Amino acid sequence: QQPVQSPQAVILREGEDAVINCSSSKALYSVHWYRQKHGEAPVFLMILLKGGEQKGHEKISASFNEKKQQSSLYLTASQLSYSGTYFCGTYDRNSGNTPLVFGKGTRLSVIA
Amino acid sequence: DGGITQSPKYLFRKEGQNVTLSCEQNLNHDAMYWYRQDPGQGLRLIYYSQIVNDFQKGDIAEGYSVSREKKESFPLTVTSAQKNPTAFYLCASSPRTVRNNQPQHFGDGTRLSIL
Repeated sequence: QQPVQSPQAVILREGEDAVINCSSSKALYSVHWYRQKHGEAPVFLMILLKGGEQKGHEKISASFNEKKQQSSLYLTASQLSYSGTYFCGTYDRNSGNTPLVFGKGTRLSVIA
Repeated sequence: DGGITQSPKYLFRKEGQNVTLSCEQNLNHDAMYWYRQDPGQGLRLIYYSQIVNDFQKGDIAEGYSVSREKKESFPLTVTSAQKNPTAFYLCASSPRTVRNNQPQHFGDGTRLSIL
C-alpha cells in the first residue's frame, strides 16, 4: 500500500522552515527518506527504524511515530539547494518479502 | 568508486520494437530493482530481484521483462506490449530487500521516448 505524502508541493523563501508528512494505513517497520533533483537520481537522506526515533542530516531531520503510522521530515532554515522532490518509502510490519513502497513525492521549491 | 551505472541515458523506441535498458552495479548488493517514474506518480516498482536467477513482479510489470544472470547486472526489456513506455526509468540496488536497514542506491536513470 502506497504511503500518502503531504503536502504535494510547497514553495518556501530562503530561511523558512517546512514539514513534509508521510502516512500509511499499515503498521510500519521503517521509513526511508530520499531527495531527487530534477532529472537526477534520488539521493538517500535517512532511515528511521524505531517508533519515536529522530534523525538528522544537515538542517534536515525526521521523526517516526509508530502509533500514528507516520513520519515527518523537517527542513529548517531552508537553502536554495534544498529544492527538489522528497520521497518517503515504507516497509510495513506484515509485508513479508516485498520491498520498499514509495509515496508520490512532495515537490519543494526554495526561492531567494 | 562503487555505484550503479545505467545506459543509455536517452533511448528512443519505434512502434513495435523491443528495447533493453542496461543496469550494472559494483556494490556487491544482492537486491536490484527497476522503477518507472512519471510526473506526479512517484516511483513505481516494475520488477525486483533478491538473488541471481530469481526475480519478482512489482506493481506495473505488464509489458516489461527482466533477467538476472549475474549478480552485477539486471537489464530491463521494454516490450512492444507496453503501449505507453515514455517515462524515466531508474535502477536501484540494496544489500537485500527484506526489512532493509540499508538505503537503496540509484543509478542516474534512462529517459525513454517514443519516436
